[in-house]
Amino acid sequence: ETGVTQSPTHLIKTRGQQVTLRCSSQSGHNTVSWYQQALGQGPQFIFQYYREEENGRGNFPPRFSGLQFPNYSSELNVNALELDDSALYLCASSLITRYEQYFGPGTRLTVT
Amino acid sequence: KQEVTQIPAALSVPEGENLVLNCSFTDSAIYNLQWFRQDPGKGLTSLLLIQSSQREQTSGRLNASLDKSSGRSTLYIAASQPGDSATYLCAVSADRGSTLGRLYFGRGTQLTVWP
Repeated sequence: ETGVTQSPTHLIKTRGQQVTLRCSSQSGHNTVSWYQQALGQGPQFIFQYYREEENGRGNFPPRFSGLQFPNYSSELNVNALELDDSALYLCASSLITRYEQYFGPGTRLTVT
Repeated sequence: KQEVTQIPAALSVPEGENLVLNCSFTDSAIYNLQWFRQDPGKGLTSLLLIQSSQREQTSGRLNASLDKSSGRSTLYIAASQPGDSATYLCAVSADRGSTLGRLYFGRGTQLTVWP
């Protein structure tokens, strides 16, 4: 059974640019959630996708958007990057919405 | 709004000690509670999951308890080892609201176990 994978591992972008982060869910999981973890903080919920539809969103602006594909892989897109977007971005998948979530290794985004 | 607090923020102990990490949450309407381990710059490793109907879970040297009515959980680590050094995060899963299963995290307890 393949776990949750994320790409890229690290990324450096300039303020104002756009970035796409990718996540491959654990086999058989139809729900994916994205979290942002700033240095020294706990992860903060960005949004969740269930069967290719957004199923809820945390307190993040619309420039954070996502997609979930028929194979349940997912993307997180961030437009107009700001310095405060520098963080570890974590993807988690689960069998259905309330079940145990399994996390990927994360993508470290640095905005300069 | 659910808020999760972890105490202490940091802990430094000699090898062999038994430890207790604390987690509290403000809304008792949770579906489950998870304890995670995070090594520096890495993702989250799930240690234990307790369903809201359960009181405790055990895995090896780890034991987690849940008192849902009082909004508290503890993670007990027996006979600590230097390899246990990491940040330990507590997270509760929402059982109501717009996103079922959304996790609310504490800021973590940074544990250092020295030889």
